[in-house]
Parts: sequence; structure tokens; C-alpha cells
Amino acid sequence: DTEVTQTPKHLVMGMTNKKSLKCEQHMGHRAMYWYKQKAKKPPELMFVYSYEKLSINESVPSRFSPECPNSSLLNLHLHALQPEDSALYLCASRQGTSGAASTDTQYFGPGTRLTVL
Amino acid sequence: AQSVTQLDSHVSVSEGTPVLLRCNYSSSYSPSLFWYVQHPNKGLQLLLKYTSAATLVKGINGFEAEFKKSETSFHLTKPSAHMSDAAEYFCVLSNTGNQFYFGTGTSLTVIP
Repeated sequence: DTEVTQTPKHLVMGMTNKKSLKCEQHMGHRAMYWYKQKAKKPPELMFVYSYEKLSINESVPSRFSPECPNSSLLNLHLHALQPEDSALYLCASRQGTSGAASTDTQYFGPGTRLTVL
Repeated sequence: AQSVTQLDSHVSVSEGTPVLLRCNYSSSYSPSLFWYVQHPNKGLQLLLKYTSAATLVKGINGFEAEFKKSETSFHLTKPSAHMSDAAEYFCVLSNTGNQFYFGTGTSLTVIP
């Protein structure tokens, strides 16, 4: 099974709301990713977790707050977002357990389509 | 430095004709290279990957790609396009560490 699941599929929120995106995988992967993707653009890396620790934060605004409660689950907490944060948010995972990290395939979830009003 | 260049932002082919999507890369180390496909409002699906084994890589749905180190290329091909192939395609590079480097994408249109 190479499935990464994401909930919700769609989310509409106001600029004062607090919401969370959820990502789950049961492949035993130890590296998990959040990406933001605007229309007709490649995914932009936001965060990387390795063994449940934040290893990369691509200077993302603090209104995005990631959390990795366990090796299967990745959350993205959203607060006081701006309309320009509307995008498709993709979660991905890869095995991340061997020295030959570069050969790992990254598996993507279907994404959450976020609209900020 | 690591980077990926997809040479065409848009490619249009007729159904049943060959597909060629071009990708060049730059890498300080021996790279792994991937092609992903993304249909509208969907996640990215792996088509194929190269990880320093055979230079000609076969993937799903009849796609294949050839790794050419001398040309620093990893072009994606398919002998005969199908309507369902219409999508966005991304060439991706990985070497050491946790990062993946994406090309800007190629939008494939298939004309009936």
C-alpha cells in the first residue's frame, strides 16, 4: 500500500479562523513533507519532518504551524491566514530510513484545496 | 548546485502520436530522477524513477525515460498519446538529504 491520505479535501476559512490539515501514512515512512502549490506551478516545500523532528522549515510564516505527533501522522495548523494563502496543500512521505536517501520515492497525498476568504 | 529545467512549458500532441517531454538537470552528485504526473486538483502520481541502475527506465501507462549523463537529460517519452495523458508533468531531482527539486512543469494537451 503506497497511500498517503489527507483530510479534508476542501476547506474554506475566514482570515480569523483556526483550522488544521491532517495527513496520514501507514507505510512506515520516517520523512514527511508539507508543500504548497499554486495553480500551474510546481509544489513549493514548506516543512520536512524526519523521525518526527522538524528538519527543514523553508521560512514559512508563523501563521502555518506544523506538528508531527507520531510517525504516521502530520498536521498543519492554520491561523490568521491571508487570501494569498489559498492553494492546494500537499502532503508527501518517503521511507527516509537508509543512508541512500536520494533513491527513496516520495509519495503524495491527494491534497487539501484551501480557500481563504 | 541542484536544479531541474523542463524545456517546454506546454506540449500539444494529437491522440495516437508520440509524446516527448524534455528535462535537463544539474547536480553535484549522482542524482535520482523522477517523473510525476498531476491531473487537475489531484496529487502527484509517480510515473517512473531513475536511481543509477538501468539508464532506460520503464514506467506506468506506457511511459519511459532515458537517463543520459553526457547530456544531463532525462526526457520522458510515450509512443502513442492517449486522451487520458492530458495533465501536468513534473521532472524531479533528489540527491542527498531530504530535499527534492522540482522542474517548473510541462502541461500536456492531447488533441482528439
